[in-house]
Amino acid sequence: GQNIDQPTEMTATEGAIVQINCTYQTSGFNGLFWYQQHAGEAPTFLSYNVLDGLEEKGRFSSFLSRSKGYSYLLLKELQMKDSASYLCARRSNYQLIWGAGTKLIIKP
Amino acid sequence: DVKVTQSSRYLVKRTGEKVFLECVQDMDHENMFWYRQDPGLGLRLIYFSYDVKMKEKGDIPEGYSVSREKKERFSLILESASTNQTSMYLCASSRQGPYEQYFGPGTRLTVT
Repeated sequence: GQNIDQPTEMTATEGAIVQINCTYQTSGFNGLFWYQQHAGEAPTFLSYNVLDGLEEKGRFSSFLSRSKGYSYLLLKELQMKDSASYLCARRSNYQLIWGAGTKLIIKP
Repeated sequence: DVKVTQSSRYLVKRTGEKVFLECVQDMDHENMFWYRQDPGLGLRLIYFSYDVKMKEKGDIPEGYSVSREKKERFSLILESASTNQTSMYLCASSRQGPYEQYFGPGTRLTVT
């Protein structure tokens, strides 16, 4: 993706915790989104961070550091259904600039 | 419940054909987007529209055009399909702030 970096693939164990990192170019930053995309399906919204800090939503949390151009998505108590790609996107005016996505593989 | 629909889930066309992909949203959103998604490349923006009859080029507009005659409908046109346009096409819509995008189910287009 344009100026957005995230790992291509990660593997984790069912029941564990995984952190997916995203770094982005800070100029023109207006907010940071995380989406989940299961294979063959459309992306669905997970979280939106515009201020620094951690936002928790059930098993999923998202963190933002605007000065460092860094965000992460934290998934706790992993379930097999969490196997999906996780897309990081930076807001720039009307648009979202997307990372290439991180494919998360969950093993029993 | 918010809804974005696309005219086809799967489409097979021949090289040189004109292809129409249609997207409809029922959320009264101002902004609409067309993306293509290819393995390892993520979502790439083709065109977007922030109002009726308005359109802006995205990152990869070559070989595509769009039409937005009504607020709820945004069409993507491939004037003369080529094999390198084989891809998953995703439509999305959003409000003017906070700009969270809602996606349609996607159209997997194969050009032979």
